[in-house]
Amino acid sequence: GNSVTQMEGPVTLSEEAFLTINCTYTATGYPSLFWYVQYPGEGLQLLLKATKADDKGSNKGFEATYRKETTSFHLEKGSVQVSDSAVYFCAQRNSGYALNFGKGTSLLVTP
Amino acid sequence: EPEVTQTPSHQVTQMGQEVILRCVPISNHLYFYWYRQILGQKVEFLVSFYNNEISEKSEIFDDQFSVERPDGSNFTLKIRSTKLEDSAMYFCASRRLEDEQFFGPGTRLTVL
Repeated sequence: GNSVTQMEGPVTLSEEAFLTINCTYTATGYPSLFWYVQYPGEGLQLLLKATKADDKGSNKGFEATYRKETTSFHLEKGSVQVSDSAVYFCAQRNSGYALNFGKGTSLLVTP
Repeated sequence: EPEVTQTPSHQVTQMGQEVILRCVPISNHLYFYWYRQILGQKVEFLVSFYNNEISEKSEIFDDQFSVERPDGSNFTLKIRSTKLEDSAMYFCASRRLEDEQFFGPGTRLTVL
């Protein structure tokens, strides 16, 4: 069945470091892919999305490219800030619009 | 900016008791969802709701669960007889016509 696997956390980085959070998926067909972010005490917020192969989603300096050949959607940011500390969830959208999430990766950015 | 709200933020209940988790979706949204996240595990889809009926549900959503939109604003999830394994964070989400689902902050349910 469809599934999403993302790297285990927590990830701890210094401010201005480069961030990669890996995400791979299994699916029949080509589902839309998403990254959601959850800041402490808040709900899940859509960070970026890609709806077809080779699409690149980007927002707030984060980006991810839909790679069909490697079934991946890795999240990257060139220079993280303390305010980026949060939990990041990779997700795929099933045909019925329900989201299928990964386990989440906690990111802590230190000054 | 409109947002999805959920109450209570934390609910503690005894095993076997009924609980109702409440959500107020964004007012012009048409599709409503419940998800849950057991501690340390991934966020799991429970059910989607559209036009006053369930449109999709997962295998988790058994006869102990029910959803309702009792009025024009609330969307509720009822667990009829809670079990220890129902302890989780429950997220409500809604969307209009576009892709994006907007999530609430969640209700932490603790079953003792």
